[in-house]
Amino acid sequence: DAGVIQSPRHEVTEMGQEVTLRCKPISGHNSLFWYRQTMMRGLELLIYFNNNVPIDDSGMPEDRFSAKMPNASFSTLKIQPSEPRDSAVYFCASSLEGSRDTQYFGPGTRLTVL
Amino acid sequence: SQELEQSPQSLIVQEGKNLTINCTSSKTLYGLYWYKQKYGEGLIFLMMLQKGGEEKSHEKITAKLDEKKQQSSLHITASQPSHAGIYLCGAGRQGAQKLVFGQGTRLTINP
Repeated sequence: DAGVIQSPRHEVTEMGQEVTLRCKPISGHNSLFWYRQTMMRGLELLIYFNNNVPIDDSGMPEDRFSAKMPNASFSTLKIQPSEPRDSAVYFCASSLEGSRDTQYFGPGTRLTVL
Repeated sequence: SQELEQSPQSLIVQEGKNLTINCTSSKTLYGLYWYKQKYGEGLIFLMMLQKGGEEKSHEKITAKLDEKKQQSSLHITASQPSHAGIYLCGAGRQGAQKLVFGQGTRLTINP
């Protein structure tokens, strides 16, 4: 079975550019999570969707970040404009139902903003 | 300060030795999850503990939950190079629709 799929795996961009990260959750999972991991702050939840609806976006840093889930099999995390401090590894995870169900993580997207 | 404190932050052990990683919460635990991460890869789910006193094992890895102390321990017996990586604990919070994670423990196994 395919796990959570993320693309791209690596992204290098210049400050001010728009960045779009993509995620395909495990088929049949109703919940999707976007996390950011840095050395300084560890693993932080950015936003959580349940049945394609954003439930908790309190972790989204600022208006430059936006996330969408147009259907059950696809989600995007967009940063516009990007800044060097956005450099991190971004993970997508999915679970059957809710945050208390086991979350399965994708391989991550390593973002570098120059 | 972190809601979940892991100790030690890093650990170097000789292959074949036993080791323990601890995860302590400053708040009541509602589910405790252990994950393993290798550099450049995502988190691999290891185990979930939900009830006080619960203990689960998978191969040579055992995790226990002490709800009163609000902590969990992960014990590896007869460590192998394949056990090397970063171990993270994650916990649910009452009324919160998200998990919080510890900073991770970096485990190195020396041959």
